[in-house]
Amino acid sequence: QKEVEQNSGPLSVPEGAIASLNCTYSDRGSQSFFWYRQYSGKSPELIMSIYSNGDKEDGRFTAQLNKASQYVSLLIRDSQPSDSATYLCAVNPDNNDMRFGAGTRLTVKP
Amino acid sequence: DVKVTQSSRYLVKRTGEKVFLECVQDMDHENMFWYRQDPGLGLRLIYFSYDVKMKEKGDIPEGYSVSREKKERFSLILESASTNQTSMYLCASSLTRDTFFGPGTRLTVL
Repeated sequence: QKEVEQNSGPLSVPEGAIASLNCTYSDRGSQSFFWYRQYSGKSPELIMSIYSNGDKEDGRFTAQLNKASQYVSLLIRDSQPSDSATYLCAVNPDNNDMRFGAGTRLTVKP
Repeated sequence: DVKVTQSSRYLVKRTGEKVFLECVQDMDHENMFWYRQDPGLGLRLIYFSYDVKMKEKGDIPEGYSVSREKKERFSLILESASTNQTSMYLCASSLTRDTFFGPGTRLTVL
């Protein structure tokens, strides 16, 4: 079982819709969770971090964490074509190194 | 703003060559990392370092070595490059939880 699993997609949503990206992880002791956005040919860019159960909102982005279910998600409201990218889920099991999912490719169609 | 720089964006080397990839960060971060990213496999950790002259193996250290003589600089060395080391190499640094990436080096080994 991979440590961090994501649906590879592609996920396609129309402009203005909500995009929902999901991630599960295997290490129950993990404490820190991150979402990165990666445009084609570019390096990953940190967009959200979440450390406790519940929701965390930042502009159009909402991260949701459920440690009991070992599940973390990212919602993008009012999706824009500029949101089209690969979204990487990352988990920090022991506050040292990060474990990444393979990423979900999101396409927002105008 | 955190800045992580890598010595080359694109590099072409021949099988058997010794290859040096350099990474420099300007935020006095303790932790530095080297990842490679391949389609469908996501980001995989090669080596990381918590401090000067400290290094730890990641998930795929075989065929690689690292050097951290100064806090701001973390070098990845391919002792004898092979075609299966053709990949995108990403350096990253962090102080506590948030990890920031450099622009990446796309290495092709012929």
